[in-house]
Amino acid sequence: ELKVEQNPLFLSMQEGKNYTIYCNYSTTSDRLYWYRQDPGKSLESLFVLLSNGAVKQEGRLMASLDTKARLSTLHITAAVHDLSATYFCAVVYIQGAQKLVFGQGTRLTINP
Amino acid sequence: NAGVMQNPRHLVRRRGQEARLRCSPMKGHSHVYWYRQLPEEGLKFMVYLQKENIIDESGMPKERFSAEFPKEGPSILRIQQVVRGDSAAYFCASSLGVTSAGEQYFGPGTRLTVT
Repeated sequence: ELKVEQNPLFLSMQEGKNYTIYCNYSTTSDRLYWYRQDPGKSLESLFVLLSNGAVKQEGRLMASLDTKARLSTLHITAAVHDLSATYFCAVVYIQGAQKLVFGQGTRLTINP
Repeated sequence: NAGVMQNPRHLVRRRGQEARLRCSPMKGHSHVYWYRQLPEEGLKFMVYLQKENIIDESGMPKERFSAEFPKEGPSILRIQQVVRGDSAAYFCASSLGVTSAGEQYFGPGTRLTVT
């Protein structure tokens, strides 16, 4: 059974600082996603990572994937208040239905 | 191209009533997934359907919950005799298929409140 764990679960940081969210998963997969969710809203897809060593960047967010370590990171550079949200990683369970298995989420609060 | 549509967006039911949640996939998508998000938690897989078939319902509670995706019309998640613990956000996602190109696109969700 695939398990996905994120840490930290809560993160409060100041504007301008850098930080990293970690996502570990327990079994082999061929896709990993990062999503953003604002309160009461749906999921916004940020990145899809397909292969070992994949790195993608969009603005102040950068995601990477190490399939050997079964680890993905979401790095935030020079945080701004607008990035406050909950961030989820999700891994595709490649057996059968290809369902997504989500981490618990990291609630990020960026203070001015 | 319209995205995944869900309705209603908010649904209030009293304990013991039935809840019906609808999901219209993106145009051309024939694969539908339902996920449930309890407060302060991540999304949990419930069921995966293709047109007229349930492919994987391993995440569905054994009682009171059912899902369908008829040949015509939206996919429906039905919860009978709702209880307070069913209060959650229910998201549906659709995809073209299950290959590595089969990214799931999420709808806006239905927020069910059981009073």
